[in-house]
Amino acid sequence: GENVEQHPSTLSVQEGDSAVIKCTYSDSASNYFPWYKQELGKRPQLIIDIRSNVGEKKDQRIAVTLNKTAKHFSLHITETQPEDSAVYFCAATHSDYGGATNKLIFGTGTLLAVQP
Amino acid sequence: DGGITQSPKYLFRKEGQNVTLSCEQNLNHDAMYWYRQDPGQGLRLIYYSQIVNDFQKGDIAEGYSVSREKKESFPLTVTSAQKNPTAFYLCASSIADGDEQFFGPGTRLTVL
Repeated sequence: GENVEQHPSTLSVQEGDSAVIKCTYSDSASNYFPWYKQELGKRPQLIIDIRSNVGEKKDQRIAVTLNKTAKHFSLHITETQPEDSAVYFCAATHSDYGGATNKLIFGTGTLLAVQP
Repeated sequence: DGGITQSPKYLFRKEGQNVTLSCEQNLNHDAMYWYRQDPGQGLRLIYYSQIVNDFQKGDIAEGYSVSREKKESFPLTVTSAQKNPTAFYLCASSIADGDEQFFGPGTRLTVL
């Protein structure tokens, strides 16, 4: 079936360094790619998203890039801070039932640890 | 995402019992979803509903059932047929399927 692969599963960086998390997807019709941050015991929260008609989107220290040809997208966090420590999930839309539904397929998550 | 709530926060169940998890939203969203989260496996889709009175199975629907009688509510029943029900359950909603999903705070179910 359709899937989204996410790497790495864990990432440790020093405060102030950059962090990059990468995802690949298999459905060429995918057109929406959100990134969620989940702190321990909390709900996932959207931090940034991108649609297929855009190659890059930035919001302060966070950016997402999309390569539709290669079917991969990446999350970039610059100037990392300890409060960035969390699990990050990527996702991509997948059409089902002949295009009648359009659900999200999630990656398996990346545990980011920012060392002070 | 304060407009989507789940109850209870923690739930304990004996083996062989059915249990129903509540999910309510006041965001006027058409689409609602149920996910199961286990360590190291991300979010797996159990059931989803694009519109009231309609729902579809997700990737791991066996042992679960849902209803969507009202736009605001999408309860999930974990039946005794679910062999390994202990997990963190997340409900979400979106304006339409394929759009940004807003998550509830989750229910942690433990089978004793």
